[in-house]
Amino acid sequence: KQEVTQIPAALSVPEGENLVLNCSFTDSAIYNLQWFRQDPGKGLTSLLLIQSSQREQTSGRLNASLDKSSGRSTLYIAASQPGDSATYLCAVGDDKIIFGKGTRLHILP
Amino acid sequence: GAVVSQHPSWVICKSGTSVKIECRSLDFQATTMFWYRQFPKQSLMLMATSNEGSKATYEQGVEKDKFLINHASLTLSTLTVTSAHPEDSSFYICSAHAGTSGQTYNEQFFGPGTRLTVL
Repeated sequence: KQEVTQIPAALSVPEGENLVLNCSFTDSAIYNLQWFRQDPGKGLTSLLLIQSSQREQTSGRLNASLDKSSGRSTLYIAASQPGDSATYLCAVGDDKIIFGKGTRLHILP
Repeated sequence: GAVVSQHPSWVICKSGTSVKIECRSLDFQATTMFWYRQFPKQSLMLMATSNEGSKATYEQGVEKDKFLINHASLTLSTLTVTSAHPEDSSFYICSAHAGTSGQTYNEQFFGPGTRLTVL
């Protein structure tokens, strides 16, 4: 049974810092890994999707990596801004997506 | 990217009533749609998989008679919470596959969610 764990559960950093969010999964036989952003009371915004054959994806200040062999993914956010404050969800799977519990990120102005 | 809408965005109802939530794929056809539920400060949990023209597949622990799913067309799936109770209060999110079978991957696109509050 696939389990997805995100560490840390919450993180507060000063504006401008670079930061890394971690995601681990138990079953390496995955199709996709996706990072989402969720603002309070809102739906999901897809940030990056990494297919199983890929090792990383980049979009603007975001970079996500995937290491299937170790069952890990990281989301790197460069030059953080207050607008980055949200919950970041890691999700694994194709048809049946398993979500982590998320990391609540707070960027301090 | 593909757009998925949900209606209503929020609903408040009395205990014992039924509530219908619609999920639509606006610019693509979705043979498969998914329904998730998210309790406060928890992650999304898959409730059921909805296939057009066939019965939905429910995850373990989800009552099929309480959460009725109808996927009548390639662009619409509905979730009806029957005889809702306060413990059914949650954030319900749907998603839809934009891909077709045989592709190497099928990305899911998520709706904005529906917040249900049962008094």
